[in-house]
Amino acid sequence: AQKVTQAQTEISVVEKEDVTLDCVYETRDTTYYLFWYKQPPSGELVFLIRRNSFDEQNEISGRYSWNFQKSTSSFNFTITASQVVDSAVYFCALCSDTGRRALTFGSGTRLQVQP
Amino acid sequence: GAGVSQSPSNKVTEKGKDVELRCDPISGHTALYWYRQSLGQGLEFLIYFQGNSAPDKSGLPSDRFSAERTGGSVSTLTIQRTQQEDSAVYLCASSLARPELPLHFGNGTRLTVT
Repeated sequence: AQKVTQAQTEISVVEKEDVTLDCVYETRDTTYYLFWYKQPPSGELVFLIRRNSFDEQNEISGRYSWNFQKSTSSFNFTITASQVVDSAVYFCALCSDTGRRALTFGSGTRLQVQP
Repeated sequence: GAGVSQSPSNKVTEKGKDVELRCDPISGHTALYWYRQSLGQGLEFLIYFQGNSAPDKSGLPSDRFSAERTGGSVSTLTIQRTQQEDSAVYLCASSLARPELPLHFGNGTRLTVT
């Protein structure tokens, strides 16, 4: 069975602070894919990034960076110099290469960035 | 349009009534998914269609829920004899059916059962 845990229910920061959203996953599959999605107040889920299980290289995209560590089954997401527009619910998700192909989502972390 | 389209955007129904929710996926996407998001909660998988294969119905919470996908395109999620606990946002997503590819989500249908 697959499971994704986002232990942080809600985080509140002040603009320009850095913030890290945690994601821990469980799967028995050796090949799998991890995703982060953003759900702004408008409600539509927006894809942010995907990592393959066989590629542990971390990635930076502007103010966003992702730290994938297979040894701890974690795929954490850091926003540097946060902005009010980053306020949203962020979901981590997992999809295996075998078995059920539907994404398994974590419960989400609500990020509030105060001006 | 180019995105996943869901209708209606909002639906209010009385307890015990049946409802149908519609999803029009992105053209060419062979995989279609239904998820449910209750207030302040994460996304709960309901059902997955892939091409002509038998759908994965393992997430449907009860036999009051059913879904079909006609012609490999439009999908309808039906909830019979609605209950108040069915109140949620029902999200549809589509993709090109490779596990490494991201899902494209619609804006959802907000269902309220009174």
